[in-house]
Amino acid sequence: EIVMTQSPATLSVSPGERATLSCRASQSVSSNLAWYQQKPGQAPRLLIYGASTRATGIPARFSGSGSGTEFTLTISSLQSEDFAVYYCQQYNNWLPLTFGGGTKVEIK
Amino acid sequence: EVQLVQSGAEVKKPGESLKISCKGSGYSFTSYWIGWVRQMPGKGLEWMGIIYPGDSDTRYSPSFQGQVTISADKSISTAYLQWSSLKASDTAMYYCARLGNSGSYGHYWGQGTLVTVSS
Repeated sequence: EIVMTQSPATLSVSPGERATLSCRASQSVSSNLAWYQQKPGQAPRLLIYGASTRATGIPARFSGSGSGTEFTLTISSLQSEDFAVYYCQQYNNWLPLTFGGGTKVEIK
Repeated sequence: EVQLVQSGAEVKKPGESLKISCKGSGYSFTSYWIGWVRQMPGKGLEWMGIIYPGDSDTRYSPSFQGQVTISADKSISTAYLQWSSLKASDTAMYYCARLGNSGSYGHYWGQGTLVTVSS
């Protein structure tokens, strides 16, 4: 099983600041990496797939980078609606597909 | 517009059976994999398994193999997740998700079904 490790567990950021979230895979997943946003009481929402491709309707302030085992989600200027939990997920090996443990982005 | 609409919340007792559903619309139901994801209270996301409704090819995550059954009825564009004997530890929110065009990521998500198992 590919283990996905996200850091930090919690990130305190002021509105308008930049947020950088990390995701590390225990073995290479190539570019088969997705990022999701989940707000309390809501289903996850796809932000990024293929490590760097924004899903339809996702604002340009969200960007993804990386390949192999190291990945980053950057939110260039945090808006109030961006405070949420973010998960990465590898889909290079589907047995099983695996998520990271999540990073909570909170208001500083 | 792609939509996945899940069945409503359930409260069950340990040992009871349950089948929850996920109805897809706005796309060709038989052409995309659908997966189920568990989220236990206050915890993260876990893929349980995926099914291709076109031919019912089904794959389970090792942790869930033998614990649940995933199925689909393409005639009514609906996928299912079922348990034969619920445990308290099955208490969780369950999401269905349609997988992407270019890989096994959750492109579109249902609203979730809360399953509570308590004596």
